[in-house]
Amino acid sequence: DAKTTQPPSMDCAEGRAANLPCNHSTISGNEYVYWYRQIHSQGPQYIIHGLKNNETNEMASLIITEDRKSSTLILPHATLRDTAVYYCIVRVVTNAGKSTFGDGTTLTVKP
Amino acid sequence: EPEVTQTPSHQVTQMGQEVILRCVPISNHLYFYWYRQILGQKVEFLVSFYNNEISEKSEIFDDQFSVERPDGSNFTLKIRSTKLEDSAMYFCASSLGGTRAQPQHFGDGTRLSIL
Repeated sequence: DAKTTQPPSMDCAEGRAANLPCNHSTISGNEYVYWYRQIHSQGPQYIIHGLKNNETNEMASLIITEDRKSSTLILPHATLRDTAVYYCIVRVVTNAGKSTFGDGTTLTVKP
Repeated sequence: EPEVTQTPSHQVTQMGQEVILRCVPISNHLYFYWYRQILGQKVEFLVSFYNNEISEKSEIFDDQFSVERPDGSNFTLKIRSTKLEDSAMYFCASSLGGTRAQPQHFGDGTRLSIL
C-alpha cells in the first residue's frame, strides 16, 4: 500500500472549516483514499473515501487532486466533538485488504 | 445505524492465561478483521478473515493467535498464552465486500491488560 504523509497536528476554530491535507505521491491506479478518525482511543470511525472524483457525504468532503498524489479532507463546520486523530489511508481495493494506519493528524477544535 | 460490537470492553488476565475476545460484526458483512493498538502507538493490522478462512495475517499474528467464526454472528480472537506485550486495545472490523471499495467499520475495542 502507498505511504501517506500527514501533518502531525492542526488547530481549527469552532464553526470554521477544517482542511486536513494528505500526501500520497506513490499511489497506484487501483488504490483508493480512505479517511478515518479516532476519538480518544475509541475505534477508528470511517469518514469518507474516493478514487479520483471529489466526494461528499453528511460528515465531510474529500478533494483529490487530478494527479491523485494528494487529497484534502474538509470538515465544513468543525465542532468541539470533531477533535480527534484523523488518518488518511491508501488501500488496494481487494475485499480482504488490510488498512495500514500511520500516525495521522491530531486535529484540535478550539472554542 | 448498524455497528460492530465488541465484548468485553476491558479484560484483565494473568500472563500465560488464554483469553478470547469477542466481536459481533455488522450482520450482512462478509469480511472480518482484527487490529490492535498498543498504548500511544499506531493501529496495527493482525488478520483478515473471509469464508471461514484467514485471508491475510501480519507477522504479529503468530501461533499464539487464532480466529474463529463459531456461528453466524460472532467472530473471535483467541490468544493462547498471553504475554505482557499483548496488552493493547484490540479492534474488530468488518466490511461488506462484494462491491469494490467498501470501507471497514470498526468496533470500539477491547482493552486487554495482562498482569
